[in-house]
Amino acid sequence: AQKITQTQPGMFVQEKEAVTLDCTYDTSDQSYGLFWYKQPSSGEMIFLIYQGSYDEQNATEGRYSLNFQKARKSANLVISASQLGDSAMYFCAMREGRVDSSYKLIFGSGTRLLVRP
Amino acid sequence: DTEVTQTPKHLVMGMTNKKSLKCEQHMGHRAMYWYKQKAKKPPELMFVYSYEKLSINESVPSRFSPECPNSSLLNLHLHALQPEDSALYLCASSQGNLANYGYTFGSGTRLTVV
Repeated sequence: AQKITQTQPGMFVQEKEAVTLDCTYDTSDQSYGLFWYKQPSSGEMIFLIYQGSYDEQNATEGRYSLNFQKARKSANLVISASQLGDSAMYFCAMREGRVDSSYKLIFGSGTRLLVRP
Repeated sequence: DTEVTQTPKHLVMGMTNKKSLKCEQHMGHRAMYWYKQKAKKPPELMFVYSYEKLSINESVPSRFSPECPNSSLLNLHLHALQPEDSALYLCASSQGNLANYGYTFGSGTRLTVV
């Protein structure tokens, strides 16, 4: 069975510094996708970044980058130049199986990030 | 229009009540999902609809009844809930051939069962 592990329940970072949120995964599929979502206290899940298992380069989206190490089965999120608005819960997620008209996302337990001024 | 709209945002209901949660998207996505999220926990999949047909039911109790009247609408009918069903209920949609964009989530309905 597929599994996502986030080992950091909570993290602090100083404003304007970079922070890395850890995510490891376990799957026997050759084709899979990894996602990071941000969930502020308002509850909405905001899509941040995606990495496909066959993508050769690490994904980047603005201040977000994904450090993908396939052999180690890790997909860590790096947030550069942290801002106060980055304080939120962050979930790593994996798509199960091949893409069809629908697919399941399974989520890790999350990391709560607090940015200090 | 690139969003998923959920109503109501908050709902308090008694254990004998019947209520419905509504979810709407106009992005042309053909897959829609219901997730349940307890406090300080990750979202857990409940139901998946693909092309308006129920494709996955994650062994959800029958007091939760999903409905997909058309490709833009997804409802979750609630009946005889228990206090432990209090949670944030998230709706999402996706376009299968663009999985790199993930799900688009609504802002959720915070349900309290009293």
